[in-house]
Formats: sequence, C-alpha cells, structure tokens
Amino acid sequence: GQNIDQPTEMTATEGAIVQINCTYQTSGFNGLFWYQQHAGEAPTFLSYNVLDGLEEKGRFSSFLSRSKGYSYLLLKELQMKDSASYLCAVVEAAGNKLTFGGGTRVLVKP
Amino acid sequence: EAGVVQSPRYKIIEKKQPVAFWCNPISGHNTLYWYRQNLGQGPELLIRYENEEAVDDSQLPKDRFSAERLKGVDSTLKIQPAELGDSAVYLCASSLGGPHTDTQYFGPGTRLTVL
Repeated sequence: GQNIDQPTEMTATEGAIVQINCTYQTSGFNGLFWYQQHAGEAPTFLSYNVLDGLEEKGRFSSFLSRSKGYSYLLLKELQMKDSASYLCAVVEAAGNKLTFGGGTRVLVKP
Repeated sequence: EAGVVQSPRYKIIEKKQPVAFWCNPISGHNTLYWYRQNLGQGPELLIRYENEEAVDDSQLPKDRFSAERLKGVDSTLKIQPAELGDSAVYLCASSLGGPHTDTQYFGPGTRLTVL
C-alpha cells in the first residue's frame, strides 16, 4: 500500500514563492505526479517525475528524491489564479494506478 | 481536441434510489478510470478499464456499485441503492494505456448529493 502526506493548507502573497512538500511511503514506485485542481473543477496535469532531480516548467517546478521518499512542487511569481488545491499522486510499480494524497489548498492573497 | 466528457454534472437523489454516471474518454485513450473524491480529499480509484476489461476493481464496493465499458469507449458507473455516504464527486479519467506510466486526464466530474 501507499501512504502519502502533504500539508492541508498554505497561504502566500501574490508574487511570492510557495513550496508544497509531499512525502510518501511505498513498497513500489513508478513515478510521481502533481495535479492542480480549482474548486469544482477537474484535476489538471502539472508534472511527472520518475528520476531524481528538478523538472522546471515555466513558473512551476517539481523535485523528486526517491531515496528520501520526498517531492516538492515549487510555485514562483504567484498569481491570484494559482489559488487551488495541489494534489500529489504516486504511481505503484504495478500497473498505472495512482494513489493521491489529500491535497494542499493554496490561497494566494493580494 | 475534446477532453473527457462526463454527465450529468450534478445529481441530487434520495437515499435508496439508483443513480448512473456516464463518461466519454478522450478519443484514442484505451484506459479509463473511475474515481471518487470526497470533500477536501484526494481522488480514490474505484475501477480501471483496459479497453473493455476491468483490470482493477478491488476498491469498488460491489454490493451496490457496478460499472461497464461495453465497447471499450464510453463507460457507465451505477450505484443501486445509493446511501448517504455516497455523496461525493465522481471523476472519470482516461489515458493512452500500455505498459508504461502515462498521464491521466480527468473529466469535470459528477457531484452527487444523496439526501
């Protein structure tokens, strides 16, 4: 089975940087996804990491350390539209099954 | 390209009534997933299809839930009878499929309220 932990809520100021941490415990691992979900909407894909290191994509970056069972999502130059929940999801080694964390709700204030 | 389509978007029923949700995946996506998402939590997988075959239904409460994907495209998820605890958002997702990890794309979901 999988155990995935991420903070419940974070608040940051427009233009600032926020880092959302995700730790996981798993018997098998085949990658980690980050999704963004605005209230009442579908989760949308942000990033996928399967190798250690940092993946940068515009204002968003995602980091993975497999040995530490740790990932983070970094949001830079925060905008009001970044207010959303951010979901960390781990892929089990077998199949394409995603196990999600509870999500981190980010509130961006002016 | 059209995304994953789900209907209805909202459904309110009384307990013990049946309810069905429909999903049309992205064209060409062989793998289809149904998830349930409770308020303030992440989605939880209910069932996964590879084409028309249910390859993982270990989390589906089979006493009241059923699903089908007869022609390997559209899918229907049914609850009969519904209970108060079934109130949640039911999300459908699809992916290309195959042996390697690929990205799942989600539909907007059906928000179910059981009274």
